[in-house]
Amino acid sequence: ETGVTQTPRHLVMGMTNKKSLKCEQHLGHNAMYWYKQSAKKPLELMFVYSLEERVENNSVPSRFSPECPNSSHLFLHLHTLQPEDSALYLCASSLYPGGENTEAFFGQGTRLTVV
Amino acid sequence: TQLLEQSPQFLSIQEGENLTVYCNSSSVFSSLQWYRQEPGEGPVLLVTVVTGGEVKKLKRLTFQFGDARKDSSLHITAAQPGDTGLYLCAGAPHGQNFVFGPGTRLSVLP
Repeated sequence: ETGVTQTPRHLVMGMTNKKSLKCEQHLGHNAMYWYKQSAKKPLELMFVYSLEERVENNSVPSRFSPECPNSSHLFLHLHTLQPEDSALYLCASSLYPGGENTEAFFGQGTRLTVV
Repeated sequence: TQLLEQSPQFLSIQEGENLTVYCNSSSVFSSLQWYRQEPGEGPVLLVTVVTGGEVKKLKRLTFQFGDARKDSSLHITAAQPGDTGLYLCAGAPHGQNFVFGPGTRLSVLP
């Protein structure tokens, strides 16, 4: 138990569907992240939020839309995805978004399959 | 170009063997973290090294931070099948955001 919870654990969706991934942390952290992990590829940072403000968006397609309503919750809204978007989506949190001694705590991930 | 490089990319060994994996960068890091990720799960933090030359031990795992704080190594003694996983190093270079290396995928065969 890392203190970061993601739901659902598994999701299968069609290319015309709209779905949302949810992440919740009760660690008192101020920064939250979405990462994409595809097979045999490094972790790709998608979005960073610090104190509910988006501070980084690594050129992610607009079919991925993040939402951070408060410092404990983070969502990733998905629409009109492509099969190549199938991956493990990981949420993480840290006390601060960068700088010295940043330590990230991850959720268990959502395994997304786009059909 | 990866800010953090890890080697080897893949490693398959027999139970009981020793191994070392490496994390290298041309940048100076204020600290480095090591994570282990099992299939279908999120990475789990193993250790943070902060001081150049620092050595930390976690049971059979020994972590070292390079003197110049640009590299780190992870040594596992008498590897066990439970050590199987993806080992990731990560850190925040001075003035930059937190980054991950590509990882070393370790398989320990019984």
